[in-house]
Amino acid sequence: KQEVTQIPAALSVPEGENLVLNCSFTDSAIYNLQWFRQDPGKGLTSLLLIQSSQREQTSGRLNASLDKSSGRSTLYIAASQPGDSATYLCAVRGPGANNLFFGTGTRLTVIP
Amino acid sequence: KAGVTQTPRYLIKTRGQQVTLSCSPISGHRSVSWYQQTPGQGLQFLFEYFSETQRNKGNFPGRFSGRQFSNSRSEMNVSTLELGDSALYLCASSLGGEAYEQYFGPGTRLTVT
Repeated sequence: KQEVTQIPAALSVPEGENLVLNCSFTDSAIYNLQWFRQDPGKGLTSLLLIQSSQREQTSGRLNASLDKSSGRSTLYIAASQPGDSATYLCAVRGPGANNLFFGTGTRLTVIP
Repeated sequence: KAGVTQTPRYLIKTRGQQVTLSCSPISGHRSVSWYQQTPGQGLQFLFEYFSETQRNKGNFPGRFSGRQFSNSRSEMNVSTLELGDSALYLCASSLGGEAYEQYFGPGTRLTVT
């Protein structure tokens, strides 16, 4: 069964810093990987989707990379802002599976 | 384009009762998935519907059921509620293939007392 781990569980940084969130998964036979953010008590907002054939995706200040063979993905956030404070979740989808396997998330706090 | 909508947003029920939650996907999306989120277990997959057929099911008891209508709207039902069913229930929609992005609704917060 696919297991997804996110480290660290919580991260606090001063505004303006660049930061990296990590995601690892046990079964490298994935179809794609998706990063989400979740604000307290809210639903999930999709940030980036990386297909298994891709190495990275970028959207604004966000860059996600995927190394399928090693079972790892990173989410890089440039010039962090207080509005980036949220929980960030990664999720993978395997071949033949129509569901996402989620990590436990990294709770990010950006201090003004 | 309107996003995924879920109703109601909040529910308070008593143990033993049943509840029905509703999800309207993004227009044109034919796949709807349901997830349960709790502090202890995180996000867990319940089931997925595509074109009115359940395609995939997670490891939940039979008290959890769902259906999808011809307009792709979906409902999930939980019977004989237990305290442990208190959670945020999220639905996600997509075009249906494995390569497609999943878009989530705001969730329904269910509290069982």
